[in-house]
Amino acid sequence: DSGVTQTPKHLITATGQRVTLRCSPRSGDLSVYWYQQSLDQGLQFLIHYYNGEERAKGNILERFSAQQFPDLHSELNLSSLELGDSALYFCASSAPGANSGANVLTFGAGSRLTVL
Amino acid sequence: QKEVEQDPGPLSVPEGAIVSLNCTYSNSAFQYFMWYRQYSRKGPELLMYTYSSGNKEDGRFTAQVDKSSKYISLFIRDSQPSDSATYLCAMIGIQGAQKLVFGQGTRLTINP
Repeated sequence: DSGVTQTPKHLITATGQRVTLRCSPRSGDLSVYWYQQSLDQGLQFLIHYYNGEERAKGNILERFSAQQFPDLHSELNLSSLELGDSALYFCASSAPGANSGANVLTFGAGSRLTVL
Repeated sequence: QKEVEQDPGPLSVPEGAIVSLNCTYSNSAFQYFMWYRQYSRKGPELLMYTYSSGNKEDGRFTAQVDKSSKYISLFIRDSQPSDSATYLCAMIGIQGAQKLVFGQGTRLTINP
C-alpha cells in the first residue's frame, strides 16, 4: 500500500455522463497530481495542486476539472464523457516543498474508467 | 515529436539475463531523471532517480544518464521473473517546474 488512496477502483458509465474520482494523498503530503494513462498515450499529466491551490496544468480537457480541499484530498471531475475518456486515472502525491526538483511522486492504485 | 521517447516493447528475456531499457529526450532543460516500475493493475512506483549526468547503482539496478546525448538507461542484472513489469522513464526540468514528463513505458517479461 503506497499510502495514496483512490476511489472508486473501477467505474463503468455511459457517454455524456459525469463522474467524480477521489484521491487522498499520503499523510503529510501537500501536493496532489492527476495523471491519465491510456494504451496509446502513456501517462499524461493533467493537473497539480499544492495545499489547495492549482500549481500547474497539463493536457487537461475543458470538460475535466479538479480541486483540492482543505483536508488535502482531491477530486477529479470528468463531464460530458466520451468513449475516448476510457483510461486509468492516477493520483499521486509528493512531500512538502512544491518546488522540489526531484519531485518524487507516490502513486495510488488508480481508478479505471470505462465509458460505453 | 514527443519530449520523451521510449520503446514500448514488449521485451521478453530469459531469467538471469541483463536487461537494458532506454529513453531519449529532446528538452535540454531536464535535470532530474527517474525510473518508475509499474506492475499490472498497480500504480507506478519509484525505482531510481538521478540528478544530471552519471551513473547510480542500487542492487541489481543501474541508472545511467548521458545529457550530452539526451539518453538515459536502466540496466537490470541477473533479471528475475519478479522484475516483469512496465518500466517508465520520467524526467523534470528546472526547479519549480512541476510537470514531470513520462515516457510511454516498456513492458518487460522475464521468463523462468
